Amino acid sequence: DVKVTQSSRYLVKRTGEKVFLECVQDMDHENMFWYRQDPGLGLRLIYFSYDVKMKEKGDIPEGYSVSREKKERFSLILESASTNQTSMYLCASSFRGQGSYGYTFGSGTRLTVV
Amino acid sequence: QKEVEQDPGPLSVPEGAIVSLNCTYSNSAFQYFMWYRQYSRKGPELLMYTYSSGNKEDGRFTAQVDKSSKYISLFIRDSQPSDSATYLCAMSETGGGADGLTFGKGTHLIIQP
Repeated sequence: DVKVTQSSRYLVKRTGEKVFLECVQDMDHENMFWYRQDPGLGLRLIYFSYDVKMKEKGDIPEGYSVSREKKERFSLILESASTNQTSMYLCASSFRGQGSYGYTFGSGTRLTVV
Repeated sequence: QKEVEQDPGPLSVPEGAIVSLNCTYSNSAFQYFMWYRQYSRKGPELLMYTYSSGNKEDGRFTAQVDKSSKYISLFIRDSQPSDSATYLCAMSETGGGADGLTFGKGTHLIIQP
């Protein structure tokens, strides 16, 4: 019954590495989102996408990029990982239409950059 | 002024107590209100949603919206240790599809056995 799948639950990477976080949804949702969640800071929006090949910057896009080549898949890329990108990363998806209620989240990827 | 305010807690109550979780907001255009529950090391899951003002009940959970005061609440009756989690409120003008959701930072709830 899994609807939003994030490829890794836990990830440890070295400073300077290029990191790919993958997210796949099976609900035919148009919208997909990447958040990071840190204690005391809540959820912060990194990037979102309303359609294939479209992307919009969220509140904290610096140091990140995204790719959406297929409707069901939204990838977050850390171009050169740094220790301040150690965080919990959450992917979410939703329908575009008005009145659709909220997001469906994945289980999250806890990334540690050493 | 932050758009959505939520006390981070922790809020610790004994098993069986009634729990009240709250959020205040500033954007009067918000019409859709949601509560998410997030267990440790997991993603948030949608618990309840309401449209505009009023109450909505689902089992032991009641969501309440007072748009005139810009105040929403989640009540948990007969609280159980399994209710221990972080509860996030979220809201939007159109339901999250067109304009996205604005989240509170979450309240950490602990139910003591």
